Amino acid sequence: AQKVTQAQTEISVVEKEDVTLDCVYETRDTTYYLFWYKQPPSGELVFLIRRNSFDEQNEISGRYSWNFQKSTSSFNFTITASQVVDSAVYFCALNNAGNMLTFGGGTRLMVKP
Amino acid sequence: AAGVIQSPRHLIKEKRETATLKCYPIPRHDTVYWYQQGPGQDPQFLISFYEKMQSDKGSIPDRFSAQQFSDYHSELNMSSLELGDSALYFCASSSPDRWAPNYGYTFGSGTRLTVV
Repeated sequence: AQKVTQAQTEISVVEKEDVTLDCVYETRDTTYYLFWYKQPPSGELVFLIRRNSFDEQNEISGRYSWNFQKSTSSFNFTITASQVVDSAVYFCALNNAGNMLTFGGGTRLMVKP
Repeated sequence: AAGVIQSPRHLIKEKRETATLKCYPIPRHDTVYWYQQGPGQDPQFLISFYEKMQSDKGSIPDRFSAQQFSDYHSELNMSSLELGDSALYFCASSSPDRWAPNYGYTFGSGTRLTVV
């Protein structure tokens, strides 16, 4: 069985603050993918990043960065200098041999001006 | 770049009616997935198809059925609709080689179904 836990259900920050969204996963598979998706109020699921289990290199894309640590089964997501447009629900998801995605419960991020 | 196309975007049905949702995957993607997202919930896997055959089944009610056609598009058929079926329904498609560097798992914009 696999499971994804996003312990933070809601986070509120003021614009320009940095914010980290936590994601912890459980799986018995040694090969798997981890994803982050953004779901703005309009509802679509926007792909942010995919990381496979063999690649523990951290990644930075503009204001976004991801920290993958297999030792703690975590795949955390940091937004630097947050903006109002970052307000959305963010989902972490796991994909293994079963091919379907298992989502975490999501973290609602509210960035206030 | 082509994306996953879902239709319709919005659908309003009455209880006990039938609904059909359509999904057109990214060209050359051979696997299609359906997810249901209730209000305030995370997306839940319903069913998937690989090369027109059902590959995995999740929490899909018996009132729902789905298939993938020869052109790889997929349809989700929902009968005897209930109020609790009101949700956002996503389709996703993935490319053949899961471990290729360019492996993709892309969602459509979703169909918002409201049952009244």
